[in-house]
Amino acid sequence: QKEVEQDPGPLSVPEGAIVSLNCTYSNSAFQYFMWYRQYSRKGPELLMYTYSSGNKEDGRFTAQVDKSSKYISLFIRDSQPSDSATYLCAMSGTGGFKTIFGAGTRLFVKA
Amino acid sequence: NAGVMQNPRHLVRRRGQEARLRCSPMKGHSHVYWYRQLPEEGLKFMVYLQKENIIDESGMPKERFSAEFPKEGPSILRIQQVVRGDSAAYFCASSNRADPANTIYFGEGSWLTVV
Repeated sequence: QKEVEQDPGPLSVPEGAIVSLNCTYSNSAFQYFMWYRQYSRKGPELLMYTYSSGNKEDGRFTAQVDKSSKYISLFIRDSQPSDSATYLCAMSGTGGFKTIFGAGTRLFVKA
Repeated sequence: NAGVMQNPRHLVRRRGQEARLRCSPMKGHSHVYWYRQLPEEGLKFMVYLQKENIIDESGMPKERFSAEFPKEGPSILRIQQVVRGDSAAYFCASSNRADPANTIYFGEGSWLTVV
């Protein structure tokens, strides 16, 4: 079993839709949860960062962490064609814990 | 530009040649990571370095690949005697030792094509 599982997609939605991207993990030591966005032929860029459980909102993006279920989500409201990219979840613990990445979900938002 | 700087952005090598990829971490960052991304695949961890030390190289192929992060200058990922299967995007990333989350920031990548 991989430490972090993420459906690779692709996920195709119409413009304006609410998008839900998810990851599950197995290591309960993870405490920091991140989402990265990667456009084609570019490096991943950090989108959101959450500590422990709860929600965090930034504009059209909401990150949600449920540590009891070992499940994290990224919601994108009013999706735009410019949101078309690969979204990677990542997580780490404390004390020099290595950051582990999901495989990434490819998202296509159709105009 | 205070971000992670990688060069070259694109590199073409013939089979059997050597490839050297360079990375300067973000200002103030002392940890460097190298990841490989094959077409249509996810990021694969290769190696984690601090200045003059390899901390974790569990993702590095046992042969032909090496990495260093000298006291002065950029980190170097070196691939000797390249083969077609080495064609990939190589991403460098850096983090700040003082960050408890170990948040990683990526460069724009170096695209290696072996012909």
